[in-house]
Amino acid sequence: QVQLQESGPGLVKPSETLSLTCAVSGYSISSGYYWGWIRQPPGKGLEWIGSIYHSGSTYYNPSLKSRVTISVDTSKNQFSLKLSSVTAADTAVYYCARHERDCSGGSCHHWFDPWGQGTLVTVSS
Amino acid sequence: QSVLTQPPSVSAAPGQKVTISCSGSSSNIGNNYVSWYQQLPGTAPKLLIYDNNKRPSGIPDRFSGSKSGTSATLGITGLQTGDEADYYCGTWDSSLSARADVFGTGTKVTVL
Repeated sequence: QVQLQESGPGLVKPSETLSLTCAVSGYSISSGYYWGWIRQPPGKGLEWIGSIYHSGSTYYNPSLKSRVTISVDTSKNQFSLKLSSVTAADTAVYYCARHERDCSGGSCHHWFDPWGQGTLVTVSS
Repeated sequence: QSVLTQPPSVSAAPGQKVTISCSGSSSNIGNNYVSWYQQLPGTAPKLLIYDNNKRPSGIPDRFSGSKSGTSATLGITGLQTGDEADYYCGTWDSSLSARADVFGTGTKVTVL
């Protein structure tokens, strides 16, 4: 059974960098799949942040691309998120998830499963 | 502002059926597959439907998905109190201006 667990500081100061890690158990990241980050501001909907392939190739939400870096550490079976220059608008529950994504046939198959339990990150001084 | 539009809320009595629409465009739903997620209060989203109409193992057949043109629909039959949750659609948006994985605005299901 694949399980994901987010970890990192729950409070980040404005203008600083948010850093989170997602530990994966029950599946080797090196075996395949994309691995993604999604966030949800309090009381609002879901926003995809970006995803990384097991090989290290990444793709990001254009609206966040200039501030986002996602990396993978296959030796620790985990992947990480860094979001720079944060503001109060970045306050959200951050989720990590395994990301099935296949666009080889022209149309993209895409889903996130399973998800981590999420971690609340508050941006405040 | 999400590119996928869902009704803010739907409701029905126990045992009844509800449908949730997800409206998009040719750059997203019209040319890509749709997934659906259930988010129970205070929990992480859970995959309900993938590839428009396929259910992962363990998801009851009370949940169904369909797609027509640039819209998709999630159906829930035999509504139960445990189905009270927020539901989100998702897909890939391949427009040149914003190639991204996108989610719908979300729909709250209330069991009367």
